[in-house]
Amino acid sequence: DIQMTQSPSSLSASVGDRVTITCRASQSITTYLNWYQQKPGKAPKLLIFAASSLQSGVPSRFSGSGSGTDFTLTISSLQPEDFATYYCQQTYSIPPKFGQGTKVEIK
Amino acid sequence: EVQLLESGGGLVQPGGSLRLSCAASGFTFSSYAMSWVRQAPGKGLEWVSVISGRGGSTYYADSVKGRFTISRDSSKNTLYLQMNSLRAEDTASYYCAKSSSIFGVVPSYGMDVWGQGTTVTVSS
Repeated sequence: DIQMTQSPSSLSASVGDRVTITCRASQSITTYLNWYQQKPGKAPKLLIFAASSLQSGVPSRFSGSGSGTDFTLTISSLQPEDFATYYCQQTYSIPPKFGQGTKVEIK
Repeated sequence: EVQLLESGGGLVQPGGSLRLSCAASGFTFSSYAMSWVRQAPGKGLEWVSVISGRGGSTYYADSVKGRFTISRDSSKNTLYLQMNSLRAEDTASYYCAKSSSIFGVVPSYGMDVWGQGTTVTVSS
């Protein structure tokens, strides 16, 4: 199985900050990497697919990059509604595992 | 509107069984692979199982293999998860999710529509 490791596990940031979350795969997954946002008590929401493609309706302040084993989710200017937990997921092979999550909290 | 609505969760004793359902609407159900993803209280997301659009291919996480069965009924636009031999560690919110692409069984481009979740509690 391909293991996914996110860092950091949590971070504190202020509105307007640039935030970067990293996801590392245990082996190459080319660009089969997706990012989700989850707010408490809610279902996850797809933000980015194929490492860098923005899902329809997602604000352009979200962006993704990377290939192979190292990937990044960037929020260019953090907004109040962005405080949530973010998960990466590899879909290169079965099982399509998620990272452990990164909680973005208000500073 | 594309929508998924789960049902069937509840309290069950260890060793018991439960069947979850996920009613789909607003899209051509048989064209998309469908997955179950769960989340234990206070924990992260865990992929559980996936079934291809026509139901011919299924895959499971090792943690549920041999105990859970995924299926679908395209005449009812409904996805199912039959859970047997339930354990305390199966306690979680269970979400059904639609693959964003019509191609393949692996949700290569992510899962773009999710249900609201149904809660399963395994306890005596």
